[in-house]
Amino acid sequence: SQELEQSPQSLIVQEGKNLTINCTSSKTLYGLYWYKQKYGEGLIFLMMLQKGGEEKSHEKITAKLDEKKQQSSLHITASQPSHAGIYLCGAARIQGAQKLVFGQGTRLTINP
Amino acid sequence: GAGVSQTPSNKVTEKGKYVELRCDPISGHTALYWYRQSLGQGPEFLIYFQGTGAADDSGLPNDRFFAVRPEGSVSTLKIQRTERGDSAVYLCASSPGATSSYNEQFFGPGTRLTVL
Repeated sequence: SQELEQSPQSLIVQEGKNLTINCTSSKTLYGLYWYKQKYGEGLIFLMMLQKGGEEKSHEKITAKLDEKKQQSSLHITASQPSHAGIYLCGAARIQGAQKLVFGQGTRLTINP
Repeated sequence: GAGVSQTPSNKVTEKGKYVELRCDPISGHTALYWYRQSLGQGPEFLIYFQGTGAADDSGLPNDRFFAVRPEGSVSTLKIQRTERGDSAVYLCASSPGATSSYNEQFFGPGTRLTVL
């Protein structure tokens, strides 16, 4: 089983709609990362959050790390076809650790 | 600039054979990671190098798996006596190094290994 749980596992939204993907852990997260993956390709880095309560935005994507550092959310505003893909959250389990554990991914489909 | 590259992109082998997967990290990156991703799952950590040495190999599933990075740049993941369960996409990532607590890891496109 994955150490990080992502929800939903898949999501289909109409172009232009907003959406949120969640990443939850039973333990404290350190260095929470969001990546995007397209079929047959490697992971593309989106954002990294480190401090509880931290929020970062890039274009129409916003990520937050909750105060207790056990959950993160990724929010996409006014979705576009280019947002389609698999979104993965990854985190270090031990402070300062370099290896990451990942969620199982959320497959996002954007319907025109 | 050039990203992380991996060769081959696809590898089909027969059960029991030996395979080598290669990773070329971003130039200057001292940290290198290997992950394995099964269908429908997130990547699973295998091993992490800092320079030439394996700093953490706790994710290697058994002694059939071995990885080297002799000159602190290119790395090779070696799998002996392959089994069908080894079939997966093997991802390599690199990062600038342990100069700060958390480093963005840049991923390569992966090698899709199929064991028949």
